[in-house]
Amino acid sequence: GQNIDQPTEMTATEGAIVQINCTYQTSGFNGLFWYQQHAGEAPTFLSYNVLDGLEEKGRFSSFLSRSKGYSYLLLKELQMKDSASYLCAVPPNTPLVFGKGTRLSVIA
Amino acid sequence: DTAVSQTPKYLVTQMGNDKSIKCEQNLGHDTMYWYKQDSKKFLKIMFSYNNKELIINETVPNRFSPKSPDKAHLNLHINSLELGDSAVYFCASSALNRGPSSGANVLTFGAGSRLTVL
Repeated sequence: GQNIDQPTEMTATEGAIVQINCTYQTSGFNGLFWYQQHAGEAPTFLSYNVLDGLEEKGRFSSFLSRSKGYSYLLLKELQMKDSASYLCAVPPNTPLVFGKGTRLSVIA
Repeated sequence: DTAVSQTPKYLVTQMGNDKSIKCEQNLGHDTMYWYKQDSKKFLKIMFSYNNKELIINETVPNRFSPKSPDKAHLNLHINSLELGDSAVYFCASSALNRGPSSGANVLTFGAGSRLTVL
């Protein structure tokens, strides 16, 4: 099965950088996803890592270490609209299993 | 618009009633899912269908019965609703295959259906 752990809540200041960590244990690894979910809305895809290292996409970057079962999502130049839940998810062979998500609050 | 659409968006009903939520995707995806997100915001897989065939059925009461008339539709019917069924139900789809490259496929979610059982 899968076990995913990430902090429940984080708070950061507008313009700052925040790192959201995710550790996982899975019986089969086919990559790791990050999704963003604003309150009352559907989750939307942010990033996918299958190889070790950092993937950068604009203000958002995602890092993966398969040997450590560890990933993080890095958000730079935080904006108020980045206040949302960030869900770490790993697929075995079939549907994504999501972590409980990290609720990020961006304050002025 | 290409999307995953689900109806109704809001559903309020009494305990013991039977209700259905419909989902349609026009993305040409092979696989569709139902997820449940409870009040603690935990997003949990319920069912997965691939080309109308059930491939995942997590530990869900048999009061929940998915139906897939074709690969573009996956409806969720719930019998004898209970208070604990109150949640947001998300439909999703992906071009998922069972092979080792499955991890690269991204889920597209519908907007969610908020079910409140009184």
